[in-house]
Amino acid sequence: SYVLTQPPSVSVAPGETARITCGGNNIGSKSVNWYQQKPGQAPMLVIHYESARPSGIPERFSGSNSGNTATLTISRVEAGDEADYYCQVWDSSHDHVVFGGGTNLTVL
Amino acid sequence: EVQLVESGGGLVQPGRSLRLSCTASGFSLGDYAMSWVRQAPGKGLEWVGFIRSKVFGGTTEYAASVKGRFSISRDDSKSIAYLQMNSLKTEDTALYYCSRALSGMHPLDYWGQGTLVTVSS
Repeated sequence: SYVLTQPPSVSVAPGETARITCGGNNIGSKSVNWYQQKPGQAPMLVIHYESARPSGIPERFSGSNSGNTATLTISRVEAGDEADYYCQVWDSSHDHVVFGGGTNLTVL
Repeated sequence: EVQLVESGGGLVQPGRSLRLSCTASGFSLGDYAMSWVRQAPGKGLEWVGFIRSKVFGGTTEYAASVKGRFSISRDDSKSIAYLQMNSLKTEDTALYYCSRALSGMHPLDYWGQGTLVTVSS
């Protein structure tokens, strides 16, 4: 089955740029979605179809995808961005939804 | 306003069964595929399975970890999706979320708050 690999943690100072990667075999050929999950809350979609932002998501959130790596970029990081972030794709070979292991973003 | 509300969680002994419900409001359930995703305590998200909309046949897909034990169904007239869990194991202990998508390949754009299932003797 298809595997997505994320770093367990990323740390960044307020105002800096955070980049969270999601690795997968030829992931550049897939549509990647990203979810934010704050403690005690349900996941929330922050990037869909690789680089589009759902309504209400700040422009500071952006996504890119090429080759074997997709990236969620959060510009001008704020304390409120502290959360776990998950990438997700559709594995068409098995008709399955696949999540990455998640990355904990810490704002220093 | 789109809302998804899960219910039916609780404490259950290993080997027993439990049925979770996901009640939808603010949209037509029949137009969407419904997924179940779980999260064990302190762990990441794990997709459990989904049911396609009737337009796409209403068929189901499951993760290998639950295939043959869990089944998903839907009653569009009541705006409810179900997750029937049989032969429960301690490793099924998790917070179970339902979520919607236009189809399996589309993003999960709305999520419920989850219902906790604890499998323990």
